[in-house]
Amino acid sequence: GENVEQHPSTLSVQEGDSAVIKCTYSDSASNYFPWYKQELGKRPQLIIDIRSNVGEKKDQRIAVTLNKTAKHFSLHITETQPEDSAVYFCAASEYSTLTFGKGTMLLVSP
Amino acid sequence: NAGVTQTPKFQVLKTGQSMTLQCAQDMNHNSMYWYRQDPGMGLRLIYYSASEGTTDKGEVPNGYNVSRLNKREFSLRLESAAPSQTSVYFCASQSPGRYYGYTFGSGTRLTVV
Repeated sequence: GENVEQHPSTLSVQEGDSAVIKCTYSDSASNYFPWYKQELGKRPQLIIDIRSNVGEKKDQRIAVTLNKTAKHFSLHITETQPEDSAVYFCAASEYSTLTFGKGTMLLVSP
Repeated sequence: NAGVTQTPKFQVLKTGQSMTLQCAQDMNHNSMYWYRQDPGMGLRLIYYSASEGTTDKGEVPNGYNVSRLNKREFSLRLESAAPSQTSVYFCASQSPGRYYGYTFGSGTRLTVV
């Protein structure tokens, strides 16, 4: 089955800095890669996703890049704000069932 | 639109007790999922249902059973709870098609003592 590795497990940045979270996956058949944000005590919420036929996707301050050859994808957050503090999960899927990484706790200090 | 509704939000069980976690979605989604979340372990799939009438095991199915009662409802049952099942449980549903993310419920925090 699919295996998703996520790094780093924790990331501390100053407000205004950029943050990058990286994931690798094992199954070359995977073709859908969503990212979820989970605030403390809340449910995970989809923030951005990318399909295998696209190399990069942006939505305001967040972007995701995908390198299918290397089987890795990354989340980029620019101009970080304190409200970006949360746990971020990457995931991969070939058809429907998502396999999640273990998560990255992002802390943005004012 | 409520989205995905889970009940209860909190539960404390004694070892050996049984309980059913309820999940219902009002988005007419075909696929539904149960995940558990443990510190440092991410979200791990317990069971899923690709459509009404079908269920399949995920990564960590031992100690659990599921029922897809109808298109809206997907329940998770613990027949004899164990302390290792202390976790936060999330139900999710998914739009038809392979390129759609999940909508999660608000979770059930279960403690087994």
